[in-house]
Amino acid sequence: GDSVTQMEGPVTLSEEAFLTINCTYTATGYPSLFWYVQYPGEGLQLLLKATKADDKGSNKGFEATYRKETTSFHLEKGSVQVSDSAVYFCALKNAGGTSYGKLTFGQGTILTVHP
Amino acid sequence: EAGVAQSPRYKIIEKRQSVAFWCNPISGHATLYWYQQILGQGPKLLIQFQNNGVVDDSQLPKDRFSAERLKGVDSTLKIQPAKLEDSAVYLCASSLDWGPRGFNEKLFFGSGTQLSVL
Repeated sequence: GDSVTQMEGPVTLSEEAFLTINCTYTATGYPSLFWYVQYPGEGLQLLLKATKADDKGSNKGFEATYRKETTSFHLEKGSVQVSDSAVYFCALKNAGGTSYGKLTFGQGTILTVHP
Repeated sequence: EAGVAQSPRYKIIEKRQSVAFWCNPISGHATLYWYQQILGQGPKLLIQFQNNGVVDDSQLPKDRFSAERLKGVDSTLKIQPAKLEDSAVYLCASSLDWGPRGFNEKLFFGSGTQLSVL
C-alpha cells in the first residue's frame, strides 16, 4: 500500500538557519503530495501542496518540489524563525486503487527553532 | 469562518470503560474524517463519511469502535470497551468534497481529543 517516510527527528535549528525536512513516498500511480503543519495546541493545517510531477508548492517561505524520479517531496525554507517551531507532516493522496482519496501521513518531524 | 469543533479536549478513562468523542465540521463540508494519532506517529484514518454515508472504514477496529454522522453534519466516535493501546489523540477533519471535484481540496482539522486509557 501507499506509504510516506520522513526523516528522523527532532530537528533543532537556530533562527535564520536553512531548513530541510526529507520526505519520500511509495505509491502506485500519480499521487498528490502535501505538507501539513501542526503548531502547539492547534489542529493540523495545510502548508503547501503539489499535484503533479515537477510542481513546486510554496507558502510562508516554505517550498517543496514534487520529484517523481526520486519519489521525494522535501520541505525547505531559507531562513527559519522561532514561530516556525511546530510538527511537520508529509502526506500523499492517491487517485488509484483502493486508496482513492485517502490521505496517508508520514510520522511527523518536530522542528524547534531557538532565538 | 468557524473551524472544526471537537470535544472534549482531554479524556482519562480506565481500560474496559467506554468513551465518546464529538465533532462538528465546518458548515457545508460534505466529507468528514476521524483520524487516530498515536504519539510519535502520523495520523491514521479510522473512518471517512461523505454526507451521512461511510466511504472508508477499513482501518476502524469494528469490534470496539463505532462512528455515526447523523443528518450528515455532526459526528460521534465511540470506543467500547477501551484498551490501553487506544491512548492517542483523536482528530476530526472535514473538507468540501471528496470525489474528483474536491480531490485536492485541503482538509481542515480540529484540535483533537487527547485520550489516556489507564
